[in-house]
Amino acid sequence: DTGVSQNPRHKITKRGQNVTFRCDPISEHNRLYWYRQTLGQGPEFLTYFQNEAQLEKSRLLSDRFSAERPKGSFSTLEIQRTEQGDSAMYLCASSLGDSVLYNEQFFGPGTRLTVL
Amino acid sequence: GQNIDQPTEMTATEGAIVQINCTYQTSGFNGLFWYQQHAGEAPTFLSYNVLDGLEEKGRFSSFLSRSKGYSYLLLKELQMKDSASYLCAAPGGNYGQNFVFGPGTRLSVLP
Repeated sequence: DTGVSQNPRHKITKRGQNVTFRCDPISEHNRLYWYRQTLGQGPEFLTYFQNEAQLEKSRLLSDRFSAERPKGSFSTLEIQRTEQGDSAMYLCASSLGDSVLYNEQFFGPGTRLTVL
Repeated sequence: GQNIDQPTEMTATEGAIVQINCTYQTSGFNGLFWYQQHAGEAPTFLSYNVLDGLEEKGRFSSFLSRSKGYSYLLLKELQMKDSASYLCAAPGGNYGQNFVFGPGTRLSVLP
């Protein structure tokens, strides 16, 4: 399978615990994105990497959130001291190219986080 | 910044035609995307418009009017499997690389 993969698919945790999610993009894609989606809403942008550089972070990304893409391949998203409001689907997407105009993003299946 | 609006829900009958509208306000414009998302699954790409007019792709077509900040997705010969959420999205952010999504339109296709 050459699509975007995410692990784990589901995570249930208790409030206050730390969680880490992993995303493996399509192998030749240089751009990687994290989004958060709550029920009935469209995805909301969290952060964006070009190769290993984190170029943009949303204001949604509080200090408890950190993302890395150490070698420009896979990425991790960590949430520290989880809160019930963090419960959501976390989507990863990747894309290829330098063009600003056309930037089709390929999404992974997501990690569904439930904070009890 | 970007603001994207679309109806929350729509219902249509199998075999019919449905039009899902999207209005947007963007500080810059780098095209408009439509994605389909089935419940519990990842969004999948449907179409991309950067110039005014209609782009046809099989049963699905997408229209863009930049002057009006308006787009629509047209689905013909509806099938039950078309029941999904349809997301309108525009590139945004400082680099125009991340997507700003609308809330999504949940389409229910009835027999």
